[in-house]
Amino acid sequence: RKEVEQDPGPFNVPEGATVAFNCTYSNSASQSFFWYRQDCRKEPKLLMSVYSSGNEDGRFTAQLNRASQYISLLIRDSKLSDSATYLCVVATSNDYKLSFGAGTTVTVRA
Amino acid sequence: NAGVTQTPKFQVLKTGQSMTLQCAQDMNHNSMYWYRQDPGMGLRLIYYSASEGTTDKGEVPNGYNVSRLNKREFSLRLESAAPSQTSVYFCASSWADTQYFGPGTRLTVL
Repeated sequence: RKEVEQDPGPFNVPEGATVAFNCTYSNSASQSFFWYRQDCRKEPKLLMSVYSSGNEDGRFTAQLNRASQYISLLIRDSKLSDSATYLCVVATSNDYKLSFGAGTTVTVRA
Repeated sequence: NAGVTQTPKFQVLKTGQSMTLQCAQDMNHNSMYWYRQDPGMGLRLIYYSASEGTTDKGEVPNGYNVSRLNKREFSLRLESAAPSQTSVYFCASSWADTQYFGPGTRLTVL
């Protein structure tokens, strides 16, 4: 079983729509959680960390459910520039070795 | 600051050839990493270095060697390339729980 699993999508949404997707992780000892964004043929970049209480960064909201071992990302008022692959990332120790999901692709259309 | 740089950007090798992928960071980070990314799979850790002078195996180390030349530089060597090593290779460095990635090297082994 993969450590981090994501629905690959693609999620095709119109501009202005809300899109949400989850990822699940298998290791209950996981300590840190992140969403990274990867544009086509580019390097991943940190979008946001995910805190136990949930957190927002502008139009992006991340939630963590430790009991069910999943993380969610919600994007409100989608922009064309939000089109990307979103990587769910989990760390199980303090040495910052990360486990990556394969990514969820979001395409925002005009 | 250039951040994390990688060379080359593209490379084509024949089976059995060797090469070294170079990575450098100018952010004074202690930890550095090498990943490979294949279609449909998350980034997989090949090797990492928690500090200058130390290296450790990641999830998929077979067929690779690394050198942490100094705090700035972390190279990845393929001694005898195989078609299964066709992939996109990313180097990263980290500060706390945030990883910063280089632009990647696209390697094809024929």
